Amino acid sequence: AQSVSQHNHHVILSEAASLELGCNYSYGGTVNLFWYVQYPGQHLQLLLKYFSGDPLVKGIKGFEAEFIKSKFSFNLRKPSVQWSDTAEYFCAVKDQTGANNLFFGTGTRLTVIP
Amino acid sequence: EAGVVQSPRYKIIEKKQPVAFWCNPISGHNTLYWYLQNLGQGPELLIRYENEEAVDDSQLPKDRFSAERLKGVDSTLKIQPAELGDSAVYLCASSQTGYGADTQYFGPGTRLTVL
Repeated sequence: AQSVSQHNHHVILSEAASLELGCNYSYGGTVNLFWYVQYPGQHLQLLLKYFSGDPLVKGIKGFEAEFIKSKFSFNLRKPSVQWSDTAEYFCAVKDQTGANNLFFGTGTRLTVIP
Repeated sequence: EAGVVQSPRYKIIEKKQPVAFWCNPISGHNTLYWYLQNLGQGPELLIRYENEEAVDDSQLPKDRFSAERLKGVDSTLKIQPAELGDSAVYLCASSQTGYGADTQYFGPGTRLTVL
């Protein structure tokens, strides 16, 4: 079965700092990859997704992620964070076979200090 | 466009009591998912429906959990009887289909506390 690892449990940054959140997955076949964000008190929202094509994916609010197949990674980046980016970030993988269900990582809590 | 609707948002019950959660997916979405999210963890799939058919319920603890999706629209997830360890957030999500490039859209969840 697929698994997703997010090694950073809690990241604290000052505003304007650059962000990179790690995500590694275990499945070796064709995968679809996602980053979801959960702002305080809100529901999970899609930030960006990768299905095929350009491995550098741009999402909403200035976020991007790069799919590196050889490293089984899909790290999330943002060049300059804002206080409003404080949230929980979840990486997820969906395989192209079987049930096509989403497997989530444990999440990374980002706190941005003004 | 209305998103995924769930109710109630919060529920507090005593152990051994039954509880039910309701979900209304986005209009036109044939696939519906129920997830369990424990504190400090990512969501874990409990069951997936394609229209009214449960196509994947392998992670649903069938001794106490049940779900239905009559008429292929709304869905109800039930726990009977609830145990202390069931305290968690129960998320509902929907997508147009369960395959390919579809994105899952999540509801706000129901936070269950079992005392």
